[in-house]
Amino acid sequence: DSGVTQTPKHLITATGQRVTLRCSPRSGDLSVYWYQQSLDQGLQFLIQYYNGEERAKGNILERFSAQQFPDLHSELNLSSLELGDSALYFCASSVGAGVGLQETQYFGPGTRLLVL
Amino acid sequence: AQTVTQSQPEMSVQEAETVTLSCTYDTSESDYYLFWYKQPPSRQMILVIRQEAYKQQNATENRFSVNFQKAAKSFSLKISDSQLGDAAMYFCAYKYNAGNMLTFGGGTRLMVKP
Repeated sequence: DSGVTQTPKHLITATGQRVTLRCSPRSGDLSVYWYQQSLDQGLQFLIQYYNGEERAKGNILERFSAQQFPDLHSELNLSSLELGDSALYFCASSVGAGVGLQETQYFGPGTRLLVL
Repeated sequence: AQTVTQSQPEMSVQEAETVTLSCTYDTSESDYYLFWYKQPPSRQMILVIRQEAYKQQNATENRFSVNFQKAAKSFSLKISDSQLGDAAMYFCAYKYNAGNMLTFGGGTRLMVKP
């Protein structure tokens, strides 16, 4: 158990809908990262938040957004869902801003999203 | 842009034997880190081992060790005394020191035969 929690574990929804994925980092970690794992794209970095502020952005679609709250939990919002958004969404956390080896990222169990 | 390549989609090993998973990467940076993550059927991503590029000594964690060849940009994972619980997808990942994101390879599925 990495100490990173994600809810829900599974989510089934329809095209065009909006969903929210939730992540709680390990105790003491200030950074949260979101990754998408799909069959065709593999594991891709989406976005990072550090202490409430957006820190880095990867291949995140405009339909997707995230935020980190004062208690450091993070939410990933996916809207206007398409079939291709079906994937496993991981949250990871690290102690600081992400620079250096001490910033090893520890992953949560993931949320499996199925868009029908 | 950095890329990570795992050329072996699938590997199999007999229980108690040794297996080596390959990983190559492409970067123009000199200060970076490399990782191996394990993803069992539960889908959890578990850190197996990590290596600092500035260290010549290869990292070791119990039955897991790496062969890091910086000039060749190669980072292979050796699993000794393979166990049934080692069966999983293994992902090689790269992180630039000053960067935030992990760049992953496509993964290698390891099967362990009893």
